[in-house]
Amino acid sequence: ETVMTQSPATLSVSPGETGTLSCRASQSIGSKLAWYQQKPGQAPRLLIYGASVRATRVPDGFSGSGSGTEFTLTISSLQSEDFAVYYCQQYNDWPLTFGGGTKVEMK
Amino acid sequence: EVQLSDSGGRLVQPGGSLRLSCAASGFMFKNYAMAWVRQSPGKGLEWVSGITVSGSDTFYADSVKGRFTISRDNSENKLFLEMNSLRAEDTALYYCVKAGSSVYFHFDKWGQGTVVTVSS
Repeated sequence: ETVMTQSPATLSVSPGETGTLSCRASQSIGSKLAWYQQKPGQAPRLLIYGASVRATRVPDGFSGSGSGTEFTLTISSLQSEDFAVYYCQQYNDWPLTFGGGTKVEMK
Repeated sequence: EVQLSDSGGRLVQPGGSLRLSCAASGFMFKNYAMAWVRQSPGKGLEWVSGITVSGSDTFYADSVKGRFTISRDNSENKLFLEMNSLRAEDTALYYCVKAGSSVYFHFDKWGQGTVVTVSS
Protein backbone atom coordinates (compact mmCIF):
# COMPACT_ATOMS: atom_id res chain seq x y z
CA GLU A 1 0.00 0.00 0.00
CA THR A 2 1.24 3.48 -0.87
CA VAL A 3 1.13 5.61 2.27
CA MET A 4 0.52 9.33 1.72
CA THR A 5 1.92 11.69 4.37
CA GLN A 6 0.90 15.34 4.46
CA SER A 7 2.67 18.13 6.28
CA PRO A 8 2.16 20.22 8.22
CA ALA A 9 -1.01 19.01 9.93
CA THR A 10 -2.02 22.64 10.46
CA LEU A 11 -0.80 25.69 8.56
CA SER A 12 -1.46 29.13 10.02
CA VAL A 13 -1.38 31.82 7.35
CA SER A 14 -2.43 35.46 7.17
CA PRO A 15 -4.80 36.52 4.37
CA GLY A 16 -2.83 37.60 1.32
CA GLU A 17 0.13 35.38 2.15
CA THR A 18 1.19 32.25 0.29
CA GLY A 19 0.59 28.81 1.75
CA THR A 20 2.71 25.80 0.84
CA LEU A 21 1.41 22.30 1.59
CA SER A 22 3.44 19.11 1.19
CA CYS A 23 2.49 15.55 0.37
CA ARG A 24 4.89 12.63 0.33
CA ALA A 25 4.27 9.16 -1.10
CA SER A 26 5.94 6.10 0.41
CA GLN A 27 6.82 4.92 -3.12
CA SER A 28 6.91 6.49 -6.53
CA ILE A 29 3.51 7.34 -7.99
CA GLY A 30 4.69 9.24 -11.04
CA SER A 31 2.30 12.15 -11.49
CA LYS A 32 -0.87 10.35 -10.40
CA LEU A 33 -1.58 12.74 -7.56
CA ALA A 34 -4.70 14.77 -6.86
CA TRP A 35 -5.43 17.55 -4.38
CA TYR A 36 -8.83 18.26 -2.84
CA GLN A 37 -10.25 21.08 -0.73
CA GLN A 38 -12.90 20.42 1.90
CA LYS A 39 -14.79 23.09 3.80
CA PRO A 40 -16.87 22.31 6.92
CA GLY A 41 -20.13 20.57 6.10
CA GLN A 42 -19.27 20.23 2.42
CA ALA A 43 -18.08 17.44 0.16
CA PRO A 44 -14.48 17.63 -1.03
CA ARG A 45 -13.75 19.50 -4.24
CA LEU A 46 -11.10 18.49 -6.76
CA LEU A 47 -8.44 21.18 -7.19
CA ILE A 48 -5.52 19.52 -8.97
CA TYR A 49 -4.97 16.21 -10.78
CA GLY A 50 -1.99 14.81 -12.63
CA ALA A 51 0.07 16.55 -9.90
CA SER A 52 -0.16 19.93 -11.66
CA VAL A 53 -3.32 20.20 -13.77
CA ARG A 54 -5.94 22.55 -12.37
CA ALA A 55 -9.47 21.18 -12.42
CA THR A 56 -12.31 23.07 -14.06
CA ARG A 57 -13.11 26.46 -12.52
CA VAL A 58 -10.24 26.29 -10.03
CA PRO A 59 -8.61 29.72 -9.65
CA ASP A 60 -5.04 30.09 -10.88
CA GLY A 61 -3.95 30.98 -7.36
CA PHE A 62 -3.84 27.21 -6.78
CA SER A 63 -0.85 25.39 -8.28
CA GLY A 64 0.53 21.89 -7.91
CA SER A 65 4.01 20.56 -8.54
CA GLY A 66 6.16 17.50 -8.03
CA SER A 67 6.49 13.94 -9.24
CA GLY A 68 7.65 10.61 -7.93
CA THR A 69 7.31 10.86 -4.17
CA GLU A 70 7.35 14.59 -3.34
CA PHE A 71 4.47 16.93 -4.15
CA THR A 72 3.49 20.47 -3.27
CA LEU A 73 0.27 22.47 -3.37
CA THR A 74 0.83 26.22 -3.37
CA ILE A 75 -1.96 28.64 -2.61
CA SER A 76 -1.00 32.17 -3.61
CA SER A 77 -2.45 35.23 -1.89
CA LEU A 78 -4.78 33.32 0.40
CA GLN A 79 -8.36 34.55 0.48
CA SER A 80 -10.91 33.99 3.24
CA GLU A 81 -12.61 31.27 1.19
CA ASP A 82 -9.34 29.30 0.93
CA PHE A 83 -9.22 28.46 4.63
CA ALA A 84 -10.16 24.79 4.65
CA VAL A 85 -8.73 21.28 4.90
CA TYR A 86 -6.68 19.99 1.97
CA TYR A 87 -6.12 16.34 1.09
CA CYS A 88 -3.80 14.67 -1.39
CA GLN A 89 -4.67 11.33 -3.01
CA GLN A 90 -2.67 8.92 -5.12
CA TYR A 91 -4.29 6.99 -7.93
CA ASN A 92 -1.25 5.15 -9.23
CA ASP A 93 -2.02 1.83 -7.62
CA TRP A 94 -4.53 -0.08 -5.50
CA PRO A 95 -5.64 0.57 -2.89
CA LEU A 96 -6.18 4.24 -3.59
CA THR A 97 -4.97 6.24 -0.62
CA PHE A 98 -5.45 9.71 0.82
CA GLY A 99 -3.16 11.74 2.99
CA GLY A 100 -4.28 12.69 6.47
CA GLY A 101 -4.99 16.28 5.48
CA THR A 102 -3.62 19.75 6.17
CA LYS A 103 -5.85 22.30 7.83
CA VAL A 104 -5.15 25.82 6.58
CA GLU A 105 -6.27 28.27 9.22
CA MET A 106 -6.18 32.01 9.54
CA LYS A 107 -3.31 33.38 11.60
CA GLU B 1 -24.86 19.88 -14.78
CA VAL B 2 -23.16 16.81 -13.33
CA GLN B 3 -25.06 15.52 -10.32
CA LEU B 4 -24.62 12.57 -8.00
CA SER B 5 -27.42 11.82 -5.57
CA ASP B 6 -26.43 9.25 -3.00
CA SER B 7 -28.93 7.60 -0.67
CA GLY B 8 -29.63 4.56 1.48
CA GLY B 9 -27.73 5.41 4.63
CA ARG B 10 -29.41 4.80 8.02
CA LEU B 11 -28.91 3.39 11.49
CA VAL B 12 -28.18 -0.34 11.40
CA GLN B 13 -27.15 -2.86 14.04
CA PRO B 14 -23.72 -4.49 14.05
CA GLY B 15 -23.73 -7.48 11.73
CA GLY B 16 -26.50 -5.98 9.64
CA SER B 17 -26.67 -5.13 5.96
CA LEU B 18 -27.32 -2.03 3.93
CA ARG B 19 -27.44 -1.04 0.26
CA LEU B 20 -26.32 2.41 -0.80
CA SER B 21 -27.41 3.86 -4.14
CA CYS B 22 -26.16 6.73 -6.24
CA ALA B 23 -28.17 8.22 -9.09
CA ALA B 24 -26.02 10.00 -11.68
CA SER B 25 -27.07 12.62 -14.19
CA GLY B 26 -25.58 15.27 -16.45
CA PHE B 27 -22.81 13.12 -17.96
CA MET B 28 -22.28 9.88 -19.90
CA PHE B 29 -22.28 7.59 -16.88
CA LYS B 30 -21.18 4.52 -18.84
CA ASN B 31 -17.93 6.27 -19.88
CA TYR B 32 -16.59 6.94 -16.40
CA ALA B 33 -15.17 4.84 -13.61
CA MET B 34 -16.90 5.35 -10.27
CA ALA B 35 -16.11 4.80 -6.61
CA TRP B 36 -17.19 5.20 -3.00
CA VAL B 37 -15.22 7.20 -0.45
CA ARG B 38 -16.11 7.49 3.22
CA GLN B 39 -15.36 9.88 6.04
CA SER B 40 -15.75 8.97 9.68
CA PRO B 41 -16.94 11.76 11.98
CA GLY B 42 -14.20 14.33 12.42
CA LYS B 43 -11.72 12.23 10.43
CA GLY B 44 -10.09 12.19 7.02
CA LEU B 45 -11.07 10.60 3.74
CA GLU B 46 -10.89 6.84 3.13
CA TRP B 47 -11.35 5.24 -0.27
CA VAL B 48 -13.71 2.25 0.02
CA SER B 49 -14.27 0.73 -3.41
CA GLY B 50 -13.97 1.42 -7.14
CA ILE B 51 -15.44 0.02 -10.35
CA THR B 52 -14.45 0.27 -14.00
CA VAL B 53 -16.75 1.55 -16.75
CA SER B 54 -18.20 -1.83 -17.68
CA GLY B 55 -18.27 -3.12 -14.13
CA SER B 56 -16.00 -6.01 -15.05
CA ASP B 57 -13.31 -4.94 -12.60
CA THR B 58 -13.90 -3.97 -8.98
CA PHE B 59 -11.48 -2.91 -6.26
CA TYR B 60 -11.79 -2.76 -2.48
CA ALA B 61 -9.99 -1.42 0.55
CA ASP B 62 -8.72 -4.21 2.77
CA SER B 63 -11.00 -2.96 5.54
CA VAL B 64 -14.12 -3.86 3.54
CA LYS B 65 -12.95 -6.67 1.28
CA GLY B 66 -15.24 -9.68 1.49
CA ARG B 67 -18.02 -7.66 3.15
CA PHE B 68 -18.84 -4.92 0.63
CA THR B 69 -19.75 -5.28 -3.06
CA ILE B 70 -19.75 -2.44 -5.57
CA SER B 71 -21.83 -2.62 -8.73
CA ARG B 72 -23.31 -0.37 -11.40
CA ASP B 73 -26.24 -0.30 -13.78
CA ASN B 74 -25.23 1.66 -16.87
CA SER B 75 -28.76 1.45 -18.30
CA GLU B 76 -30.14 3.22 -15.22
CA ASN B 77 -27.10 5.46 -14.55
CA LYS B 78 -26.79 4.11 -11.03
CA LEU B 79 -23.98 3.02 -8.71
CA PHE B 80 -24.49 0.72 -5.73
CA LEU B 81 -22.65 -0.42 -2.62
CA GLU B 82 -23.90 -3.57 -0.92
CA MET B 83 -22.64 -3.60 2.66
CA ASN B 84 -22.77 -6.77 4.78
CA SER B 85 -21.48 -7.77 8.22
CA LEU B 86 -21.39 -4.12 9.22
CA ARG B 87 -19.16 -3.07 12.09
CA ALA B 88 -19.06 -0.01 14.32
CA GLU B 89 -15.97 1.18 12.46
CA ASP B 90 -17.99 1.36 9.22
CA THR B 91 -19.88 4.31 10.70
CA ALA B 92 -19.22 7.21 8.33
CA LEU B 93 -20.52 9.59 5.71
CA TYR B 94 -20.33 7.70 2.41
CA TYR B 95 -19.71 9.67 -0.77
CA CYS B 96 -20.47 8.48 -4.28
CA VAL B 97 -17.70 9.85 -6.50
CA LYS B 98 -17.13 10.15 -10.24
CA ALA B 99 -13.68 9.44 -11.62
CA GLY B 100 -12.09 11.96 -13.92
CA SER B 101 -11.91 9.49 -16.78
CA SER B 102 -12.55 5.90 -17.72
CA VAL B 103 -9.22 4.80 -16.29
CA TYR B 104 -7.87 7.41 -13.89
CA PHE B 105 -9.32 7.38 -10.39
CA HIS B 106 -9.05 10.97 -9.32
CA PHE B 107 -12.49 12.24 -8.36
CA ASP B 108 -13.91 15.30 -10.07
CA LYS B 109 -17.45 15.12 -8.72
CA TRP B 110 -18.73 14.12 -5.31
CA GLY B 111 -22.25 13.40 -4.10
CA GLN B 112 -23.58 15.10 -1.00
CA GLY B 113 -22.99 11.94 1.03
CA THR B 114 -25.23 9.52 2.90
CA VAL B 115 -24.78 8.72 6.59
CA VAL B 116 -24.30 5.15 7.75
CA THR B 117 -24.42 4.57 11.51
CA VAL B 118 -23.64 1.12 12.86
CA SER B 119 -24.73 0.83 16.47
CA SER B 120 -26.87 -1.31 18.75
